[in-house]
Amino acid sequence: DAKTTQPNSMESNEEEPVHLPCNHSTISGTDYIHWYRQLPSQGPEYVIHGLTSNVNNRMASLAIAEDRKSSTLILHRATLRDAAVYYCILVYYGQNFVFGPGTRLSVLP
Amino acid sequence: DADVTQTPRNRITKTGKRIMLECSQTKGHDRMYWYRQDPGLGLQLIYYSFDVKDINKGEISDGYSVSRQAQAKFSLSLESAIPNQTALYFCATSSGFGDIQYFGAGTRLSVL
Repeated sequence: DAKTTQPNSMESNEEEPVHLPCNHSTISGTDYIHWYRQLPSQGPEYVIHGLTSNVNNRMASLAIAEDRKSSTLILHRATLRDAAVYYCILVYYGQNFVFGPGTRLSVLP
Repeated sequence: DADVTQTPRNRITKTGKRIMLECSQTKGHDRMYWYRQDPGLGLQLIYYSFDVKDINKGEISDGYSVSRQAQAKFSLSLESAIPNQTALYFCATSSGFGDIQYFGAGTRLSVL
């Protein structure tokens, strides 16, 4: 299974942008990059996903490097409610999700 | 109402007891999953089901069994619970392989 590497933890100030990095140097051409987050005492929830091009939705933006070996989840204005563990996952049709330990994001008021 | 509902939300049991965790979904999805999460770690896949007749083992299926009673229902059983099965358990659904997964709120299980 293709692996991802994320920092264990990050901090951000409220209302500032947050850039959460993910390295996936062994990514294959057909792997999608998915991001999920897990709020305290809740199950994971989908945030965003992409293949090659940058993606935007109401929750976040996903910036994918040109060589696809890394990506960055961007929260444009962090709120206290964004404090969670963020998981970067490579997804390929026919394979199950592999969740690593993720990045624990703390948002300071 | 939640799209994926897990019951119970919390359970304390004793070593050797049989316990069942239940999951139901209103998404109309064919695929359902059971995951386990230990403190500070990511999720590990226990079992997954493509449809009512298709059940597959995940990476940590030993000590667990599952039943897909209907498209909307997927149960996880611990035949003889042991303390190292103390963990958070999550059910999830998706419409297809590689598609977005929708998770329940989880069941916190403690085995004494």
